[in-house]
Amino acid sequence: ILNVEQSPQSLHVQEGDSTNFTCSFPSSNFYALHWYRWETAKSPEALFVMTLNGDEKKKGRISATLNTKEGYSYLYIKGSQPEDSATYLCAFTSGTYKYIFGTGTRLKVLA
Amino acid sequence: KAGVTQTPRYLIKTRGQQVTLSCSPISGHRSVSWYQQTPGQGLQFLFEYFSETQRNKGNFPGRFSGRQFSNSRSEMNVSTLELGDSALYLCASSFSEGRGETQYFGPGTRLLVL
Repeated sequence: ILNVEQSPQSLHVQEGDSTNFTCSFPSSNFYALHWYRWETAKSPEALFVMTLNGDEKKKGRISATLNTKEGYSYLYIKGSQPEDSATYLCAFTSGTYKYIFGTGTRLKVLA
Repeated sequence: KAGVTQTPRYLIKTRGQQVTLSCSPISGHRSVSWYQQTPGQGLQFLFEYFSETQRNKGNFPGRFSGRQFSNSRSEMNVSTLELGDSALYLCASSFSEGRGETQYFGPGTRLLVL
């Protein structure tokens, strides 16, 4: 059974701080790595899909990097705002498995 | 474009009963996946349907089944409900079944089994 691990489990930061989280996944048979943001009482919202080693994606103050050889992805948030408070999920897809999600990093940005 | 819709949003059942949940994907999307989330667990993949055919299946017992109709709407059925089936059930649609496809999630159905 493949495992996707995210760290830390939860995080409290002050408004304006920059932060990052990690998603670790199996490095074999990799196909894609997805990042989602899940705000309370809403649906998970797609942030990025990354497929190539060395991929870097950016959306406003949020960016992500991918290392498929060592099996990790980082999500960065620059200048965190209270509206960034959410659970950030990563999901791994491979040639064999479709969408294995991590348990998420719960971010709380304090005003 | 309307998003993914799920009905009902909340449901209370008792052990032994069965339940059917419904998911309407974004117009034009042909792939629908179902997930279960229980406290402390990540989203657990149940199954995926594409063009009315089940394409992938997660590690769940046969009590969990689904189907997809020609208009891409999907239903998920759980028979002989157990207390442990209490969870948030999410469906997600995507344009195709590719592993690089972005999935768009519905608001979920929260099921409570008493």
